[in-house]
Amino acid sequence: AQTVTQSQPEMSVQEAETVTLSCTYDTSESDYYLFWYKQPPSRQMILVIRQEAYKQQNATENRFSVNFQKAAKSFSLKISDSQLGDAAMYFCAYRSYNQGGKLIFGQGTELSVKP
Amino acid sequence: NAGVTQTPKFQVLKTGQSMTLQCAQDMNHEYMSWYRQDPGMGLRLIHYSVGAGITDQGEVPNGYNVSRSTTEDFPLRLLSAAPSQTSVYFCASSYSPGTSTEAFFGQGTRLTVV
Repeated sequence: AQTVTQSQPEMSVQEAETVTLSCTYDTSESDYYLFWYKQPPSRQMILVIRQEAYKQQNATENRFSVNFQKAAKSFSLKISDSQLGDAAMYFCAYRSYNQGGKLIFGQGTELSVKP
Repeated sequence: NAGVTQTPKFQVLKTGQSMTLQCAQDMNHEYMSWYRQDPGMGLRLIHYSVGAGITDQGEVPNGYNVSRSTTEDFPLRLLSAAPSQTSVYFCASSYSPGTSTEAFFGQGTRLTVV
């Protein structure tokens, strides 16, 4: 069975600085997808960024980028130029290639942004 | 453009009561899922459906029942509520697998069982 681990329950960053959230996963599959979701206090789950395992290039979405290390089974999220609106719970999630609807989540990392 | 709609947003139940959490999506997604979110544990899959008439269990199915009679709706039933079912519940939907499509989530239901 696949597992996802986020070892940082809480992180803090100064506004305009850069922060990296860690995520490791365990799987025996070769084809899968990885996601980072943001959950602000409103509770809404918002997709931040996705990565296809077959792609070697790291995904980037504006200030958000990932460091995908397939052999090490690591999938960290880097937030550059942090903004107050980035404060939220962040979840790393795994999905098998052929199993839509079945996301496996990490425990979450609560990110606070200091002005 | 409603997306995924969950009702209610908040609910308080007494132990032993039953209730149904409603979930509807208007995106013609094949896949629908229910998750529960508990502090320190992330979101865990309760039940999921790959299409109308087809459902399967997830990681934590005990005490919950689902059915999928239409593509749009995927209700979650609590048969006899217990304090351990106090949680935040999310419904999600997505297209068929084999793509990198994201899952779309409802706004969540905070359920308290007393």
